[in-house]
Amino acid sequence: DVKVTQSSRYLVKRTGEKVFLECVQDMDHENMFWYRQDPGLGLRLIYFSYDVKMKEKGDIPEGYSVSREKKERFSLILESASTNQTSMYLCASSLPSQGSGNTIYFGEGSWLTVV
Amino acid sequence: AQSVAQPEDQVNVAEGNPLTVKCTYSVSGNPYLFWYVQYPNRGLQFLLKYITGDNLVKGSYGFEAEFNKSQTSFHLKKPSALVSDSALYFCAVRDSNYGGSQGNLIFGKGTKLSVKP
Repeated sequence: DVKVTQSSRYLVKRTGEKVFLECVQDMDHENMFWYRQDPGLGLRLIYFSYDVKMKEKGDIPEGYSVSREKKERFSLILESASTNQTSMYLCASSLPSQGSGNTIYFGEGSWLTVV
Repeated sequence: AQSVAQPEDQVNVAEGNPLTVKCTYSVSGNPYLFWYVQYPNRGLQFLLKYITGDNLVKGSYGFEAEFNKSQTSFHLKKPSALVSDSALYFCAVRDSNYGGSQGNLIFGKGTKLSVKP
């Protein structure tokens, strides 16, 4: 089975702190994604990466950055956390998109509260 | 623009009755459609997908979905609901707008399914 692991399930951070959310997948997937989930808004794409050191902005990249130094690891960084970034963050991975039917697999999510 | 709509915020069903969770889509080109389920405080779990072929797709936990091209719909169904099916369900379509990748999914806002004993 595909396993996408988000190391931190619940975090509480202060406004202005730099926050790192880590994600690791064990299936050698090329594609990795970070989504944000908010009630009534569904899932919104923050950033995705289709190869090591490659990244593309999603729908809501403002206030976030990402790092992919190794194929299996994709980190989301909040440079200066703000209260409006309190949310559930979901990491996901998939095989390359040449096969458009490839399934995206999700981690368990990281609940971030910024106070 | 590509989009997915889940017209019902919540669906209530009695245990043992059939259930349907609705999804309609708008895409350019061939649609690649997915259903996911999310239990409380958990990530999304893949249920099933339509790529091509038979319009009736079978997935995990006894769920199935029917692709209807003329109605641009991909409704999720189960013949007999269980209390344990209570969860949040997301429909999604493959996004072909991001150059170089095309790997992302566009999600509906989700439908909360409540199955009562």
